[in-house]
Amino acid sequence: EAQVTQNPRYLITVTGKKLTVTCSQNMNHEYMSWYRQDPGLGLRQIYYSMNVEVTDKGDVPEGYKVSRKEKRNFPLILESPSPNQTSLYFCASSSPDRLSSYEQYFGPGTRLTVT
Amino acid sequence: AQSVTQPDIHITVSEGASLELRCNYSYGATPYLFWYVQSPGQGLQLLLKYFSGDTLVQGIKGFEAEFKRSQSSFNLRKPSVHWSDAAEYFCAVGPYTGRRALTFGSGTRLQVQP
Repeated sequence: EAQVTQNPRYLITVTGKKLTVTCSQNMNHEYMSWYRQDPGLGLRQIYYSMNVEVTDKGDVPEGYKVSRKEKRNFPLILESPSPNQTSLYFCASSSPDRLSSYEQYFGPGTRLTVT
Repeated sequence: AQSVTQPDIHITVSEGASLELRCNYSYGATPYLFWYVQSPGQGLQLLLKYFSGDTLVQGIKGFEAEFKRSQSSFNLRKPSVHWSDAAEYFCAVGPYTGRRALTFGSGTRLQVQP
């Protein structure tokens, strides 16, 4: 089954404790992206990757890092989490096909709470 | 800068009634438009998309949307709502090129009464 998976689905942590949220897709998609969802704000892009070893900032990159060493994986790293990073995080990927490349497939989400 | 407005934060309809969710966008070029649905505790599922061509697009689960360039709108419709349609609905717009970031509206939560 074609899918985007994220782990963990739920995480409660404390300020300053480094964490990584993993994202993996099995559709051979070149493009991957991270979004955060906050009430009343919709989804906002954090980072994106056009291909392996190619990453760049989105709209709200502060406090986050990413890496793309393999095509299927795109982990999101919070080196020193703060309470304002409490949010629902979504990973997304899309096809290399020109016409469908804008159809982004989303993972199930990771709900992060930083205390 | 591009933006998406969903004027209705919360809508309640009776099961079997028709539904229309509003979406207005601001975009400097030809927009690519999407509607996603998010059920409680679930990720985002694509309902339908508009790239070009016929301005009335059909999606999954009996939904359709109409692109009206003159009104900068992309409203989502369903003729008869089912209880399982209760969810949050997001309209999104984005370019094809570059970082392909989708700009999402703030969402409309749909409640369905029996």
